[in-house]
Formats: sequence, structure tokens, C-alpha cells
Amino acid sequence: SQQGEEDPQALSIQEGENATMNCSYKTSINNLQWYRQNSGRGLVHLILIRSNEREKHSGRLRVTLDTSKKSSSLLITASRAADTASYFCATVSNSGGYQKVTFGTGTKLQVIP
Amino acid sequence: NAGVTQTPKFQVLKTGQSMTLQCAQDMNHEYMSWYRQDPGMGLRLIHYSVGAGITDQGEVPNGYNVSRSTTEDFPLRLLSAAPSQTSVYFCASSRHFDRTSNYGYTFGSGTRLTVV
Repeated sequence: SQQGEEDPQALSIQEGENATMNCSYKTSINNLQWYRQNSGRGLVHLILIRSNEREKHSGRLRVTLDTSKKSSSLLITASRAADTASYFCATVSNSGGYQKVTFGTGTKLQVIP
Repeated sequence: NAGVTQTPKFQVLKTGQSMTLQCAQDMNHEYMSWYRQDPGMGLRLIHYSVGAGITDQGEVPNGYNVSRSTTEDFPLRLLSAAPSQTSVYFCASSRHFDRTSNYGYTFGSGTRLTVV
């Protein structure tokens, strides 16, 4: 089963609005990452938040992590049409002495100009 | 700096055929992984490797083999293709994640495989 589950599955907003997407996971993690995927392309790493961090910023991106609730959120402020893409969370956790990276099902964001 | 290179970009196979999807990275990354992406399923981990000579299974390993003889290459072999293996396959690589990590996976551009 998927380690991360994103919510909502799809989101449509007007340009300039903020977009918030959430990720829930099941087991303890070392860090959590967010990726963007444009249609037909590979995933691109956006931001990483460590398990001992609660909030992190990068440009128009704000990520929060609540390890007690096993959840994270990604906020994109002042959205642009170019932000239209699918967004995935990924968790890094220990597995048999190794670190395994597993991805969620993604949120498809549409930003309407 | 090419990053992660996957070949081929597109492939059509007949049921029962075998083939190898190639993945190469030039960043000296220890970690390499193969994922398949299906509509509504997100990315599912097939196999991963934490270094040359070390591989392990992910969520959906059945029907696939991997090996890691060098740091650079991590090929994925389909033993006997089935229509259920129709998917987009992504290879990704990274340095080892530790407490100071601030980077993620670098992904290839994908291989779109159709099994008929």
C-alpha cells in the first residue's frame, strides 16, 4: 500500500490564489519530500523537510510537518498558470537497515489564468 | 552533466517477450530506484539499490529483475512481459539520505511501455 496519501486528488484554482495540498503517511519517517510532475515528464524535487522540523519555506512554497498526526501540507502562494502540474509527497523511512523512498498518489493542480 | 538517462523512451512488447530498460546516472549517487506510474496509483516502488552489488525489493517486484554491478547503471529486466506491466517506468537516483540531507531524487524522463 502507498505510504503517502495526498488530499485532495484534484484541485482547480484561479491564478493568484493559494493552493494547499495535504499528505498523510503511516510509519515513522526520516524526512518528507515534495515533488512536481508536469504532464509527460519526470518528477522534479521541490523541497525536503526533516522529521525534527515543523515548517520550511522555499520561494512561494511553504511546507509543514506534523509527526504526531503523520501529516504534511504544501502551500503554494500566489499561484501561476505555470504551477499547473501534479504534486507528490514522498517519505523516506528505514526499512531493514536501508532507507526506502515511497511516493503518494499525487494531487493534480490546475491553475486557471 | 546528463543526470539520469533512461532508454528507450517508448517501447511496445508482445506478451511473453523480455526486455531490459536501461538507466544510467553520472552523479555518483549511491541510491537508485525503479518506479512504475499508473493512472490513479501514483508511483509504486519496484526495486531499489543502496549501492553497487546491493538491491532490494519494493512494493511491486513480481515480474521484474534488477542488478547493480556498477554505481552508474541500474537496469530493469522484464522477464516475460504481461499486459499488466503496461505503464510508465521511472528511474531515480540520489545520494544517501541522512539527518542533514536537503536534496531529493533526480528522476529520468521515463520509459512508456505498452504490452500487447
